[in-house]
Amino acid sequence: KNQVEQSPQSLIILEGKNCTLQCNYTVSPFSNLRWYKQDTGRGPVSLTIMTFSENTKSNGRYTATLDADTKQSSLHITASQLSDSASYICVVDSSYKLIFGSGTRLLVRP
Amino acid sequence: GAVVSQHPSRVICKSGTSVKIECRSLDFQATTMFWYRQFPKQSLMLMATSNEGSKATYEQGVEKDKFLINHASLTLSTLTVTSAHPEDSSFYICSAALPTGAYEQYFGPGTRLTVT
Repeated sequence: KNQVEQSPQSLIILEGKNCTLQCNYTVSPFSNLRWYKQDTGRGPVSLTIMTFSENTKSNGRYTATLDADTKQSSLHITASQLSDSASYICVVDSSYKLIFGSGTRLLVRP
Repeated sequence: GAVVSQHPSRVICKSGTSVKIECRSLDFQATTMFWYRQFPKQSLMLMATSNEGSKATYEQGVEKDKFLINHASLTLSTLTVTSAHPEDSSFYICSAALPTGAYEQYFGPGTRLTVT
């Protein structure tokens, strides 16, 4: 069964601190892995997309990594800001069908 | 980036009535659009895949007669929730796909449906 699991389920950090979110997947076939940010009551917004051959991809303060051998990905947020408070969703594209993780709810406190 | 809009953003309807949600790709043509449903604190669940000019493909467990999808043009897809019940209350999100490269899906801002 195709699955995408994320950890932690929720996370609270202080403004300015770094954090890393984890994603493990068992999905076949694998096309690419995406990280999305979803603000409360809004649709998801793409942060990064990585194909099988890519190990890391950055988008500003967001850096995603992918280990296709162990089927793990991480999203590192540097120098967090209050506006980073949101749900972060790991999604694996399996031949154009998206398999969603349940997300990590991040709260950045001043 | 590509922009997808949804209308309305919020709707409240009475049980037994129908409600239509529109999804538009504003600056690109989308041959494929997707409809998702999201319950509180849960992730998105794909309801159906909509291809322009053809019938939508529904996921297992999604009633096609209850959730009517029309994709009449390359920039517009509609989801009609018929005979709505309180358990249909949810956050409905559409996405439109660019058929290039990694087949990026661009999500709309969502529609909050409350059935009273």
